[in-house]
Amino acid sequence: NAGVMQNPRHLVRRRGQEARLRCSPMKGHSHVYWYRQLPEEGLKFMVYLQKENIIDESGMPKERFSAEFPKEGPSILRIQQVVRGDSAAYFCASSPNYGGVSYEQYFGPGTRLTVT
Amino acid sequence: DAKTTQPNSMESNEEEPVHLPCNHSTISGTDYIHWYRQLPSQGPEYVIHGLTSNVNNRMASLAIAEDRKSSTLILHRATLRDAAVYYCILKGSGGSNYKLTFGKGTLLTVNP
Repeated sequence: NAGVMQNPRHLVRRRGQEARLRCSPMKGHSHVYWYRQLPEEGLKFMVYLQKENIIDESGMPKERFSAEFPKEGPSILRIQQVVRGDSAAYFCASSPNYGGVSYEQYFGPGTRLTVT
Repeated sequence: DAKTTQPNSMESNEEEPVHLPCNHSTISGTDYIHWYRQLPSQGPEYVIHGLTSNVNNRMASLAIAEDRKSSTLILHRATLRDAAVYYCILKGSGGSNYKLTFGKGTLLTVNP
């Protein structure tokens, strides 16, 4: 019973390059959440997606960041023209239903992005 | 979202019980209390959640005060693998209640 999978686990990009982070939710889960953990800071919500829909992207930086969760395949968090400040751990979580008050979220191992 | 207050750090010995406190004095009647933990270099892991009654699962127990202004996560026998940051999070009934709002949590150190 595979958990949430994220790849790559580690990603190194030079400033100005693009970073693509992938997340496969747990089997049967159709709700995906992305969080970011900057060095020495807590986890912050970025975006909530359902299949083919962005429900809430209020935590995403306005520029360079985008997310999708297509009908088929993993969810993708895309960062264009990366800068050093994007270096962080990016975690994906999933839940089986609308992630309301009583539902837990299951997290992946994260992708650690380093921008050089 | 209502705020929670946790001690920055706690220390325990292996095979002893650990009681991790959380204060949430502004909790509303429909807020659930969730606990997650994050082991070093890993993603957060769901531990337990509850509303009013005490809850038990294979990982831990959650004791909720009668007035719901505080709760305690109980690890019955700490192991070295329980060393982690523990987060107490309230999830309310508002429109964006799917968001987990992580604070600084409690860093639990387990001594062999």
